[in-house]
Amino acid sequence: AQSVTQPDIHITVSEGASLELRCNYSYGATPYLFWYVQSPGQGLQLLLKYFSGDTLVQGIKGFEAEFKRSQSSFNLRKPSVHWSDAAEYFCAVGGGSSASKIIFGSGTRLSIRP
Amino acid sequence: EAQVTQNPRYLITVTGKKLTVTCSQNMNHEYMSWYRQDPGLGLRQIYYSMNVEVTDKGDVPEGYKVSRKEKRNFPLILESPSPNQTSLYFCASEWGGTQYFGPGTRLTVL
Repeated sequence: AQSVTQPDIHITVSEGASLELRCNYSYGATPYLFWYVQSPGQGLQLLLKYFSGDTLVQGIKGFEAEFKRSQSSFNLRKPSVHWSDAAEYFCAVGGGSSASKIIFGSGTRLSIRP
Repeated sequence: EAQVTQNPRYLITVTGKKLTVTCSQNMNHEYMSWYRQDPGLGLRQIYYSMNVEVTDKGDVPEGYKVSRKEKRNFPLILESPSPNQTSLYFCASEWGGTQYFGPGTRLTVL
């Protein structure tokens, strides 16, 4: 069955510290992987996506993610977080075409400690 | 500006009173979806549409209807809302596998 697991419901990190948000997926075909961010009261915004090629992808706001096929993971990282990064982060997997469905994880809420 | 808009942004209603949440996109995307977001459950797809007059059920379609008479519009209809439909609703259009989300509609059914 297709699924996305974000094992951390809530993470708190200090401003300036590094961040890693975990995402594991189960998908029968070649996965297309996404990270979205949702700021309080806002819609979801695409941070980055992986379709093919280099397994380390760069996104907006200084985020990056690494696709590891052997571990079925697509973890999101940032070397130094800012207070404005406090938000909810969603990992998603799909087939990459309009005909395929996108499945979202349950989200990880990130809090920043001053 | 390329965007997906939804109206209303907030709505409080009572059980059984029909309502419609509108969704419009100006990017000429063929594919559009409706999701609901509930705490701890992430986003679940309600309905999707691959083009005008082509719609299909997502994961949680019960109690909802949609229509797609024009490419840009994809309204969500609750014929007889119930309290378990209290949720945050997102419309999205899609191109190349990437979803573009509207700002959300927070619905409360009393």
